[in-house]
Amino acid sequence: AQSVTQLGSHVSVSEGALVLLRCNYSSSVPPYLFWYVQYPNQGLQLLLKYTSAATLVKGINDFEAEFKKSETSFHLTKPSAHMSDAAEYFCAVTLMNTGFQKLVFGTGTRLLVSP
Amino acid sequence: NAGVTQTPKFQVLKTGQSMTLQCAQDMNHNSMYWYRQDPGMGLRLIYYSASEGTTDKGEVPNGYNVSRLNKREFSLRLESAAPSQTSVYFCASSDQGQGMNTEAFFGQGTRLTVV
Repeated sequence: AQSVTQLGSHVSVSEGALVLLRCNYSSSVPPYLFWYVQYPNQGLQLLLKYTSAATLVKGINDFEAEFKKSETSFHLTKPSAHMSDAAEYFCAVTLMNTGFQKLVFGTGTRLLVSP
Repeated sequence: NAGVTQTPKFQVLKTGQSMTLQCAQDMNHNSMYWYRQDPGMGLRLIYYSASEGTTDKGEVPNGYNVSRLNKREFSLRLESAAPSQTSVYFCASSDQGQGMNTEAFFGQGTRLTVV
């Protein structure tokens, strides 16, 4: 089973609309969860991460994600999309393997924002 | 503050040629990683290095070798390039030992085409 699953390879929204990008994690993995963003022709950068201090996590550029254990989800939202949000978004989880932490990524969701 | 630097940014190889992708980080991180990114597959771990002097295989190591030259540098070598190795390659680093929610920092990527 996949450690993290992102539903929808592409999501299209209009500028000003709500952004919702879905991520579900396997209940067998500890919830060390992250969202990364990749702007065109760039590397990945951290948007936010779950720390267990709060179920609602705020990140950069008004993005936030809510950790829901009952639904094994960590969906990413933003109230109002900007054109500059067009990018690919990756959900990820840290797994421990033979004493080493490895970051495992979902397949990514490309966000398209239209005027 | 450079972070993670990869060279080259672009490369075209002929089948059977060899090349080395270079990566250096200036954040004094102990752990470094090589990922490849392919459409619809997210990022997959090729090799990682937990600390200077150690390397280990990730999900997709076949056709690659790595060297952790020192704490700063981690190179990826393709001995005999194949078209299936056409991909975007990312180097990353992190400071393991700071907890399971430690983020990774990524380079800008190397876009490799094998013809």
